[in-house]
Amino acid sequence: AQSVAQPEDQVNVAEGNPLTVKCTYSVSGNPYLFWYVQYPNRGLQFLLKYITGDNLVKGSYGFEAEFNKSQTSFHLKKPSALVSDSALYFCAVRGGNQGGKLIFGQGTELSVKP
Amino acid sequence: DAGVTQSPTHLIKTRGQQVTLRCSPKSGHDTVSWYQQALGQGPQFIFQYYEEEERQRGNFPDRFSGHQFPNYSSELNVNALLLGDSALYLCASSSGGTASYGYTFGSGTRLTVV
Repeated sequence: AQSVAQPEDQVNVAEGNPLTVKCTYSVSGNPYLFWYVQYPNRGLQFLLKYITGDNLVKGSYGFEAEFNKSQTSFHLKKPSALVSDSALYFCAVRGGNQGGKLIFGQGTELSVKP
Repeated sequence: DAGVTQSPTHLIKTRGQQVTLRCSPKSGHDTVSWYQQALGQGPQFIFQYYEEEERQRGNFPDRFSGHQFPNYSSELNVNALLLGDSALYLCASSSGGTASYGYTFGSGTRLTVV
């Protein structure tokens, strides 16, 4: 079965410190991996994706993610967190033979304190 | 360039009633997918429409149905509403019938069933 796991319900970081939001996946075929962010009472905003190529992907707002095939992980990172980064983050995967269906993780609440 | 537009933003329905939600995709997109996001959960795939046909369906009962119009806009219909149908319903658009390059999400319709 195809699945995405975000092992941390919440991540707390001090402003200016690096942040990591973890994601692991299980999918048949080559994975297409995505990170989205959701602010309260809003839809999902696209941050970045991995389709193929360089394992380090750079996205919006200074975020980046590293694809690790052997560990089936796609962790989201940012070198220096901002208070405005506080939001709900979702990892999603699409299997290579899954058409357009995205499978989402449960989400990780990121809280950045001043 | 307009993004994905969903209407209404909020609505309250009584158990047993029927509801129709609407979505206009981002300009240039021809594929519409619907997701249900229950409180505290990640979005769950309902179905995807491409070329006015349902191309892929998630694990949702037949009470959930949809339609895509020639202008690529879409409707989600839910019959015989249950309390458990209360959720944020997200519409996402993409192009070419797949999500290879990710979806653009709307802000959602918050449905409350009482």
